[in-house]
Amino acid sequence: LAKTTQPISMDSYEGQEVNITCSHNNIATNDYITWYQQFPSQGPRFIIQGYKTKVTNEVASLFIPADRKSSTLSLPRVSLSDTAVYYCLVGGMTTDSWGKLQFGAGTQVVVTP
Amino acid sequence: DVKVTQSSRYLVKRTGEKVFLECVQDMDHENMFWYRQDPGLGLRLIYFSYDVKMKEKGDIPEGYSVSREKKERFSLILESASTNQTSMYLCASSLGGQGSYEQYFGPGTRLTVT
Repeated sequence: LAKTTQPISMDSYEGQEVNITCSHNNIATNDYITWYQQFPSQGPRFIIQGYKTKVTNEVASLFIPADRKSSTLSLPRVSLSDTAVYYCLVGGMTTDSWGKLQFGAGTQVVVTP
Repeated sequence: DVKVTQSSRYLVKRTGEKVFLECVQDMDHENMFWYRQDPGLGLRLIYFSYDVKMKEKGDIPEGYSVSREKKERFSLILESASTNQTSMYLCASSLGGQGSYEQYFGPGTRLTVT
């Protein structure tokens, strides 16, 4: 069972890069790492997903070291609208592993001018 | 645009009542999930379903049951609500098959049991 650990909160200024690390020491061979963003009064929204090395899309990058025991979500040049809670999710791709899906407790990111 | 709707945004029930939380998705997704969200604990999976009439337990199924009679609808049932089930409940759906991991969430139902 890949228990995940994230920092509770992080503060940043507009225009800076924010890096949030999630620890998942017991990650299984078939597990993927997914990150979600959640604003108040809304459900989480998918940001990015990866298995190893680096993944980049239009909003974020995900860095996964070779041992896969941690992962880092990188938000480049944050703006006030990036203030949200960010969740790390570790789990397998097949339905027989979904019962063990583990979200982290979430990291509150606050961006100030 | 994928839309996941939940029957109520806020619900107040008494201890011992039977509670139904309904979730509907409009994108023909095979997979549906129910989570509860509590401060400091993140999201915890209660049940999921990968096909009509199929259901599987998640991390915390005790005190809950589910029903999926139609592909687009997934119901969470609290047979006898208790105060420790006061929480935010989130429904999600995703495409079927391996590699389909992007879950689309509804806005949530905040349930208070008194």
